[in-house]
Amino acid sequence: GAVVSQHPSWVICKSGTSVKIECRSLDFQATTMFWYRQFPKQSLMLMATSNEGSKATYEQGVEKDKFLINHASLTLSTLTVTSAHPEDSSFYICSARNAGGGEKLFFGSGTQLSVL
Amino acid sequence: AQKITQTQPGMFVQEKEAVTLDCTYDTSDPSYGLFWYKQPSSGEMIFLIYQGSYDQQNATEGRYSLNFQKARKSANLVISASQLGDSAMYFCAMREGPNFGNEKLTFGTGTRLTIIP
Repeated sequence: GAVVSQHPSWVICKSGTSVKIECRSLDFQATTMFWYRQFPKQSLMLMATSNEGSKATYEQGVEKDKFLINHASLTLSTLTVTSAHPEDSSFYICSARNAGGGEKLFFGSGTQLSVL
Repeated sequence: AQKITQTQPGMFVQEKEAVTLDCTYDTSDPSYGLFWYKQPSSGEMIFLIYQGSYDQQNATEGRYSLNFQKARKSANLVISASQLGDSAMYFCAMREGPNFGNEKLTFGTGTRLTIIP
């Protein structure tokens, strides 16, 4: 079945540093990927929609200069948390839909970010 | 208003019993899709089942079935013969509008299901 690989699974960084999270669709092409954020014991909140070859669409309240998204190919989207602060600590998870069709949205395994 | 409402923060169910997880939704779009995902403690989101707004029959996937009551805007998940491995968070989600491949999902707050041996 379709697989979305997300890396790293967890990362600890110092405040002020930048962290890059990768999301790859391994066996299908994804023209659109979605980045979600999940706080402990809460639901997934959509941060942005990543479109291959164009600028990402950010949800209201999400700082695009802080959360940089690059969707350079049909199989790779990256989320960079710039100048991370402790309040950015969260679980980040990406998802992708097969450009060839289908209703399923495939999710990566998520990245737990802890900013010290 | 909440687009997806899951009113059960947590549920405890005896192993082998059936369980119903509630989900109501709110949309004015005639075309939409409803999803259920399972999130175990590892964090991954596992797709369980999908129901389209124009589907005439309730969706089924193995032990999972979706009780779709369109007039009541309800899309409850039914798990038959529950197993210990079913213990997880369960999220109901909705896609508004036709599926053109780039529509986002809106998630409910989830229900934590615990299966008791």
